[in-house]
Amino acid sequence: DAGVTQSPTHLIKTRGQQVTLRCSPKSGHDTVSWYQQALGQGPQFIFQYYEEEERQRGNFPDRFSGHQFPNYSSELNVNALLLGDSALYLCASSTGQENQPQHFGDGTRLSIL
Amino acid sequence: ILNVEQSPQSLHVQEGDSTNFTCSFPSSNFYALHWYRWETAKSPEALFVMTLNGDEKKKGRISATLNTKEGYSYLYIKGSQPEDSATYLCALPTGWNQGGKLIFGQGTELSVKP
Repeated sequence: DAGVTQSPTHLIKTRGQQVTLRCSPKSGHDTVSWYQQALGQGPQFIFQYYEEEERQRGNFPDRFSGHQFPNYSSELNVNALLLGDSALYLCASSTGQENQPQHFGDGTRLSIL
Repeated sequence: ILNVEQSPQSLHVQEGDSTNFTCSFPSSNFYALHWYRWETAKSPEALFVMTLNGDEKKKGRISATLNTKEGYSYLYIKGSQPEDSATYLCALPTGWNQGGKLIFGQGTELSVKP
């Protein structure tokens, strides 16, 4: 039973570029959340997708956008990259039901030069 | 704004020591609390989901307690082993029947020396 998979593992971009990160949820999960983890901090919620719609959003600018596909996989897009966007980006999937933990992928390490 | 605090930020112990750390949260509107273990170069792994005041959960040498009235949870590790070295995160779920976003504390980084 495959868990949450993310690609790519690492990515290096320059300021102003655009990036797309991908996530496949754990089998049986229909809800995907994205988090940004900067050094020394806990993961910060970006947004959550359910039934191909953005259901909830954190305090991130519109440069951060996402998509969920009919097979529940998801993409995170970031436009006009800034140095401050350098971070580990985690994808988590769940059933979206109460009292259930979220299952995380290994993350994508994004470095902006 | 919901604020989740963890202490200490880091902890260094010897193999065999028992240790504990704290997660603090606002006691009003509490619904549930999650504990995760995050080993370096791996993905965060769920340890416990706690919901009831006085709840105590155990997984091997790791256990957790919950006090929703005063707004804290303790995580205990008995007889720490080097493989327990990891960052331990607590998080509160919010929104959408509490299946929505997780608000994390900053984590406690545990290092266990052989």
